[in-house]
Amino acid sequence: GAVVSQHPSWVICKSGTSVKIECRSLDFQATTMFWYRQFPKQSLMLMATSNEGSKATYEQGVEKDKFLINHASLTLSTLTVTSAHPEDSSFYICSLPERGYNEQFFGPGTRLTVL
Amino acid sequence: SQQGEEDPQALSIQEGENATMNCSYKTSINNLQWYRQNSGRGLVHLILIRSNEREKHSGRLRVTLDTSKKSSSLLITASRAADTASYFCETGGGNKLTFGTGTQLKVEL
Repeated sequence: GAVVSQHPSWVICKSGTSVKIECRSLDFQATTMFWYRQFPKQSLMLMATSNEGSKATYEQGVEKDKFLINHASLTLSTLTVTSAHPEDSSFYICSLPERGYNEQFFGPGTRLTVL
Repeated sequence: SQQGEEDPQALSIQEGENATMNCSYKTSINNLQWYRQNSGRGLVHLILIRSNEREKHSGRLRVTLDTSKKSSSLLITASRAADTASYFCETGGGNKLTFGTGTQLKVEL
């Protein structure tokens, strides 16, 4: 399967700052990537679909101006949490689908803590 | 997509024992998938079972699917401490995967 990396693995920042999280496909060209958020002991919730060369599509309730997504190349999607607040503290995971969309390959996740 | 609901929510067993987790869903599916998540890590795909299949094996994993009851089970045989993780089922497929809260399995030595 595809190898997906995320950077950073964890980040602690002050309230009001912006944080950029990278999701890279190391061996697979991905026109689509997905961003999920997971709170402790809860399920993954899809936030948005990142589309290479076009705008991301956001799930209901997810603020597009708060969570900026850029998918500039077939191997890189970035999620920027703007003006982060403590309630944005979460585990952010990206994934990319295999061609048939039956399986997805997940990154290792990024733990964000906003003080 | 639809949400799978797993039970039990948490399970603790001794190494060597079998672990069974169940998943129920609400509407018709094309396939059902099980994923594993180690603490603080991303998800790893374990197995996919299609709606026309009733049972599937992969190593120590056995998955069953009963579409009449809209349920699936994941059996891990001869469990190991390394099997300690959360296990999720997913029924939506496509791009909008929706996960339940999962079953947290702890395998003790």
